Amino acid sequence: DTGVSQDPRHKITKRGQNVTFRCDPISEHNRLYWYRQTLGQGPEFLTYFQNEAQLEKSRLLSDRFSAERPKGSFSTLEIQRTEQGDSAMYLCASSSRTGTASYEQYFGPGTRLTVT
Amino acid sequence: AQKVTQAQTEISVVEKEDVTLDCVYETRDTTYYLFWYKQPPSGELVFLIRRNSFDEQNEISGRYSWNFQKSTSSFNFTITASQVVDSAVYFCALGGNNAGGTSYGKLTFGQGTILTVHP
Repeated sequence: DTGVSQDPRHKITKRGQNVTFRCDPISEHNRLYWYRQTLGQGPEFLTYFQNEAQLEKSRLLSDRFSAERPKGSFSTLEIQRTEQGDSAMYLCASSSRTGTASYEQYFGPGTRLTVT
Repeated sequence: AQKVTQAQTEISVVEKEDVTLDCVYETRDTTYYLFWYKQPPSGELVFLIRRNSFDEQNEISGRYSWNFQKSTSSFNFTITASQVVDSAVYFCALGGNNAGGTSYGKLTFGQGTILTVHP
């Protein structure tokens, strides 16, 4: 059983460019989460999918951010017109349960974004 | 709103010492879940434990033990006989169970405690 994978692992981009990250969850997991982590802080929730439905978005997720999970498997997170404040580690996690309870989430290695 | 506080920013110990990491949480949910994660220097978050709010039984797993006290809203984590490989950032996290709303299992993390174990 492979874990959560993310691609790319590192991305350096110039301010104003668009970037897209991919997350492949653990194969049987129906829940997928995106978090953002800045230096010295804990991860902050961005958005959540159950299967292909995006059920919750944080207020942190501005209009420049969009996430998809078109077939209920992998997910993409796109940031348009990047700003220096977008520099962070973007983490993807997945879990396998249904309902509204919280179950353990398994995290990928993250994509480190640097906006110059 | 949910909140997790890890008051200890950094802890430094010598190998074989016991160390306790503190976590205090706030939530209005009647049922909730608490987690500890470890983030080693490689960066990937590793799940350690999950506890339900309705189960206050404390747990020991090898060198790790957890003390959940609902009365004080605390969920502390102890490493016995620490080892250099335990050096990492440890995060406490809180998940809700808001059946009537939008808390679909998202986690609220504390700011983390940096643990350094010296040989």
